[in-house]
Amino acid sequence: EAGVTQFPSHSVIEKGQTVTLRCDPISGHDNLYWYRRVMGKEIKFLLHFVKESKQDESGMPNNRFLAERTGGTYSTLKVQPAELEDSGVYFCASSQVAFGELFFGEGSRLTVL
Amino acid sequence: QKEVEQNSGPLSVPEGAIASLNCTYSDRGSQSFFWYRQYSGKSPELIMSIYSNGDKEDGRFTAQLNKASQYVSLLIRDSQPSDSATYLCAVLSYGNNRLAFGKGNQVVVIP
Repeated sequence: EAGVTQFPSHSVIEKGQTVTLRCDPISGHDNLYWYRRVMGKEIKFLLHFVKESKQDESGMPNNRFLAERTGGTYSTLKVQPAELEDSGVYFCASSQVAFGELFFGEGSRLTVL
Repeated sequence: QKEVEQNSGPLSVPEGAIASLNCTYSDRGSQSFFWYRQYSGKSPELIMSIYSNGDKEDGRFTAQLNKASQYVSLLIRDSQPSDSATYLCAVLSYGNNRLAFGKGNQVVVIP
């Protein structure tokens, strides 16, 4: 069974540009989460989807971040326009039960120059 | 006050020894506690979950929970070089229904 996959693994962009990160959860997992780890800090919650609905997006830092999960399958996280402080590793996770065992992807490392 | 705190300094242990990791949390209402292991550049992987006070053993790993003192610990017995990784403590707070992570502890097992 395929795990959680994320793309791209690493993205380098300039300040002001747009980046879209993609996450494919484990098949059948209704719950999908985005987390972010900024260098030197702990992994922080961004948002939680149940199927295609946003259950909790209170962790999103500001309106430059937009997450979608059309059809309740894969999810995208768009950062537009990117700022220097957006650099970090963005993790996606999925679970069958809300906040049951979370399965993480390997993360998408974003570097904003 | 951070939601979950871990002593972030690297822990070096000789092969075969016991590695001991500690974690404290701030939300007294928390009910679920997890330890994740993360190898460099890889995804965090759940290795232990604990929900009630006391010890829970799984192979060479033992998780200990003390809700009164608001700490959870992880013991790794007979440490192996393959245990070298970062260990993340995570706590589920039912107040906001989020999984909060500590910064992690890097463990280095020296052959």
